[in-house]
Amino acid sequence: GENVEQHPSTLSVQEGDSAVIKCTYSDSASNYFPWYKQELGKRPQLIIDIRSNVGEKKDQRIAVTLNKTAKHFSLHITETQPEDSAVYFCAASSMDSNYQLIWGAGTKLIIKP
Amino acid sequence: GAVVSQHPSRVICKSGTSVKIECRSLDFQATTMFWYRQFPKQSLMLMATSNEGSKATYEQGVEKDKFLINHASLTLSTLTVTSAHPEDSSFYICSARAPGQGNPYEQYFGPGTRLTVT
Repeated sequence: GENVEQHPSTLSVQEGDSAVIKCTYSDSASNYFPWYKQELGKRPQLIIDIRSNVGEKKDQRIAVTLNKTAKHFSLHITETQPEDSAVYFCAASSMDSNYQLIWGAGTKLIIKP
Repeated sequence: GAVVSQHPSRVICKSGTSVKIECRSLDFQATTMFWYRQFPKQSLMLMATSNEGSKATYEQGVEKDKFLINHASLTLSTLTVTSAHPEDSSFYICSARAPGQGNPYEQYFGPGTRLTVT
């Protein structure tokens, strides 16, 4: 079955700098890759997603890149702000697996003022 | 659109009792609902997938007799934790797929239920 690995587990960056979180997946059938932001005690919030027919997607300060050949995808946050501090999860899904999400372990992002 | 509610948001129960958690899709019909459990500082762990009108599919290691899932309608799924014990204390989150909303892959999450078993 699918396995998603996420790194780093903790990332501390200075406010205004960029943050990059990386994930790898194992199942070549996976074709949907969402990123979620979760604040303590809250539900995961979808911040950006990408399908396998696209290599990059951007939404203001957030971007996701996908390398299907290498089976890895990354989240890029530019001009980080204190409110970006949270836990971020990557996930992978495919129609073949009944659209189940396979989750990464999470990255705690700390924005230092 | 695509709002999912969950009730209750918090529940404290005594060991040995049962607790029911409801997950509702408020403005769409959810053909598939998922139940997750999340322990502190960990990722979401899929417990089961339920399709309306059929039995839930449980992930390996999840006891189906302990975690009863019912998906009786296209807008409601329930999770009953039977004979709860302190180790069942966790954050339980449901999600729903809404293929009619455009993205067949996207899951819409409920706000979660914090279960504490004393």
